[in-house]
Amino acid sequence: LAKTTQPISMDSYEGQEVNITCSHNNIATNDYITWYQQFPSQGPRFIIQGYKTKVTNEVASLFIPADRKSSTLSLPRVSLSDTAVYYCLVVATGGGADGLTFGKGTHLIIQP
Amino acid sequence: DSGVTQTPKHLITATGQRVTLRCSPRSGDLSVYWYQQSLDQGLQFLIQYYNGEERAKGNILERFSAQQFPDLHSELNLSSLELGDSALYFCASSVLAGVGADTQYFGPGTRLTVL
Repeated sequence: LAKTTQPISMDSYEGQEVNITCSHNNIATNDYITWYQQFPSQGPRFIIQGYKTKVTNEVASLFIPADRKSSTLSLPRVSLSDTAVYYCLVVATGGGADGLTFGKGTHLIIQP
Repeated sequence: DSGVTQTPKHLITATGQRVTLRCSPRSGDLSVYWYQQSLDQGLQFLIQYYNGEERAKGNILERFSAQQFPDLHSELNLSSLELGDSALYFCASSVLAGVGADTQYFGPGTRLTVL
């Protein structure tokens, strides 16, 4: 299993860029990285997914180095509403238990 | 709005009772997942169904069972309830059959309180 490790919590201020790093040392060739966001008392919501290098969408960017043993979720210019739990998952093409392992996630707190 | 619906939103019951949670997946999704989220355990995968068939089992207790009906809605049955079963129960749906293979769309959850 490609176990992931991410910080338990982080805090930052409005307007700052926030980077959350996830370690996945045992990632396999056919695995890709997926991030979800969860607000209190709501279900997780898909944010971004990538395989290598950089992926950007309207919400975030995902940086994946060449060895793919880690990934960094980057949230530009955060606001109070970005306070949430962020989960990093390693998902195998075709499926596998890792795609269901959300763990405890990173609790991000944004302050004014 | 993810397109996944869950009912009821809240449920309060007593120990020893049985309850049924209901989930309707997004239109076109054939896979349904059930998760339990408690404060100390985080989000735990329980079970997955694809087009009516069980695909994967996680940390689901024997007191719990689920099924997916021909119209693709799913029900999670919890029996002989204990205080520790109090949690948020989420349903998610996706397109593919592969376990956790594609993006999961989560419903708003059912908050179960066992007194």
